Amino acid sequence: SQQGEEDPQALSIQEGENATMNCSYKTSINNLQWYRQNSGRGLVHLILIRSNEREKHSGRLRVTLDTSKKSSSLLITASRAADTASYFCATDGGRGSTLGRLYFGRGTQLTVWP
Amino acid sequence: SQTIHQWPATLVQPVGSPLSLECTVEGTSNPNLYWYRQAAGRGLQLLFYSVGIGQISSEVPQNLSASRPQDRQFILSSKKLLLSDSGFYLCAWRITGATDTQYFGPGTRLTVL
Repeated sequence: SQQGEEDPQALSIQEGENATMNCSYKTSINNLQWYRQNSGRGLVHLILIRSNEREKHSGRLRVTLDTSKKSSSLLITASRAADTASYFCATDGGRGSTLGRLYFGRGTQLTVWP
Repeated sequence: SQTIHQWPATLVQPVGSPLSLECTVEGTSNPNLYWYRQAAGRGLQLLFYSVGIGQISSEVPQNLSASRPQDRQFILSSKKLLLSDSGFYLCAWRITGATDTQYFGPGTRLTVL
């Protein structure tokens, strides 16, 4: 399967703590993306990191990518209760994949307690 | 700005009944369009994608079908629903030739009884 796999499946922390979620994948990629999904809602794009990048920041989000290990991590710093959601990584499958097709993992359910 | 609409938001249908879910995109032309299904607590399964009017590619054999009658309209259909068709259906679009970022609609919760 080309799907990414997030780890852990569930994460529960207190407000103010940092949350780290990991993603592993199996094929080569051109880029990797992270999405967020609030319960019962559509997915919202958070950040995209290209295969030639190692780290990227956006506000309280920090994404790293290690193509040699085929893994990525999403760090949310100073978490808030409003960060409670499911987080998914998605890969593009690399060269030769159907243009625009994304492969999603099963997600990490993050719960941030006030 | 671009927006994507899906309707209905929720749907409860009996087994064997037909299905029609609609997705429309505003503010962009010639988008790539995608239908996904998400089972409870699971990731997204790509069902269909379309790169243009009348062009549909299917990822998973099933009793569902998709059509794209207009550039910014994507329809998911079934002639006879199965219990296993229950789930959360998401439509997404992408700018053709740009990055792979996809933009998702609000989803339709389908319950087949």
